[in-house]
Amino acid sequence: NAGVTQTPKFRILKIGQSMTLQCTQDMNHNYMYWYRQDPGMGLKLIYYSVGAGITDKGEVPNGYNVSRSTTEDFPLRLELAAPSQTSVYFCAIRAGGQETQYFGPGTRLLVL
Amino acid sequence: GEDVEQSLFLSVREGDSSVINCTYTDSSSTYLYWYKQEPGAGLQLLTYIFSNMDMKQDQRLTVLLNKKDKHLSLRIADTQTGDSAIYFCAERPYDRGSTLGRLYFGRGTQLTVWP
Repeated sequence: NAGVTQTPKFRILKIGQSMTLQCTQDMNHNYMYWYRQDPGMGLKLIYYSVGAGITDKGEVPNGYNVSRSTTEDFPLRLELAAPSQTSVYFCAIRAGGQETQYFGPGTRLLVL
Repeated sequence: GEDVEQSLFLSVREGDSSVINCTYTDSSSTYLYWYKQEPGAGLQLLTYIFSNMDMKQDQRLTVLLNKKDKHLSLRIADTQTGDSAIYFCAERPYDRGSTLGRLYFGRGTQLTVWP
């Protein structure tokens, strides 16, 4: 998975609980992305970052927060989990000036 | 948002060729991609094509781009059971003033290869 690590692999949350999905890269790439993949659907962009200290919203940011204090880490925070956030979450990276995004293995989240 | 459409299912016999089709709506797309997703795994980049190209070949994979019709296809020659997976088409529109490189994905085509 091109130097992208995601933890945990799988998690079950109760409604209203919070958690942080971790994404770490060892490629020193500037760009990092969080996507969610709902069953039978393509990926939707949640948040992205163009470098340490810089983040911005994607298509579906509601219910999530991110931070980027280092180049390596881009955690995604769910504050009040809802069943609609049941999904598979993918982190991706891209080097500046390059055309391709490389994806991590994903975190499967179930909110009950 | 941009729309990327794919048929949802394709079944082929082992050894035959597979052709997975995709249509997109944004004429400013700069790059178009094919990703493969095996069960329980992340997305693996298979290949991509720049919008000023008509065709790209990489071993068993051939990508054809018809920019006029906004149609992209992926042909897999001599399809094997190990090719069974979901294949996602994605486009990268031109973002004036932005280097984000945002991708828009289709829903994926489930390819099943029968022995």
